[in-house]
Amino acid sequence: AQKITQTQPGMFVQEKEAVTLDCTYDTSDPSYGLFWYKQPSSGEMIFLIYQGSYDQQNATEGRYSLNFQKARKSANLVISASQLGDSAMYFCAMRGINTNAGKSTFGDGTTLTVKP
Amino acid sequence: DTEVTQTPKHLVMGMTNKKSLKCEQHMGHRAMYWYKQKAKKPPELMFVYSYEKLSINESVPSRFSPECPNSSLLNLHLHALQPEDSALYLCASSQEGTEVYYGYTFGSGTRLTVV
Repeated sequence: AQKITQTQPGMFVQEKEAVTLDCTYDTSDPSYGLFWYKQPSSGEMIFLIYQGSYDQQNATEGRYSLNFQKARKSANLVISASQLGDSAMYFCAMRGINTNAGKSTFGDGTTLTVKP
Repeated sequence: DTEVTQTPKHLVMGMTNKKSLKCEQHMGHRAMYWYKQKAKKPPELMFVYSYEKLSINESVPSRFSPECPNSSLLNLHLHALQPEDSALYLCASSQEGTEVYYGYTFGSGTRLTVV
């Protein structure tokens, strides 16, 4: 079984500052992918960044980076230079090689509020 | 603009109505998904279609009936719903259904209210 834990129900950050959203996971799959999605109040889930379990380097996509610590089973999302438009709910998710086809496991999410 | 298009964006239906949600993607993705999401909660998987065949049904009540007419289209037929079925229904697609390194592209969702 897979499990994703996001321990921060809500976070606040000042505009232009960096923020880290925590994600820990548990899986017995030897190979897996970790994902972060952003969901603004409009409802659409937006794919942000992906990290493979065998990737040696941390993933980066523009202002988003993933701090991947495999031994600690953590995959924290770092958003640099926060913008007001970053205010949204953020979900960490994973897919495992031995998991039923197509199933992703999602965490409970973190609501991020960027203050001007 | 999202590459997964869902219609309608909002739907209000009575408990005796029959309605359908539609989802369309033209990215050549071979897996398509229906998710149900309640406010402030993570999405819950309902159905997965892989190569136009139903591969996962998460024990969804029969009042929800999925259909995949072709590789680009996914429908969700609704009949005799209950008020607790009110939620955001998200469609998603991915390049493959089983590879771990493909994320999902989601549509903007249909906000369904059952009265």
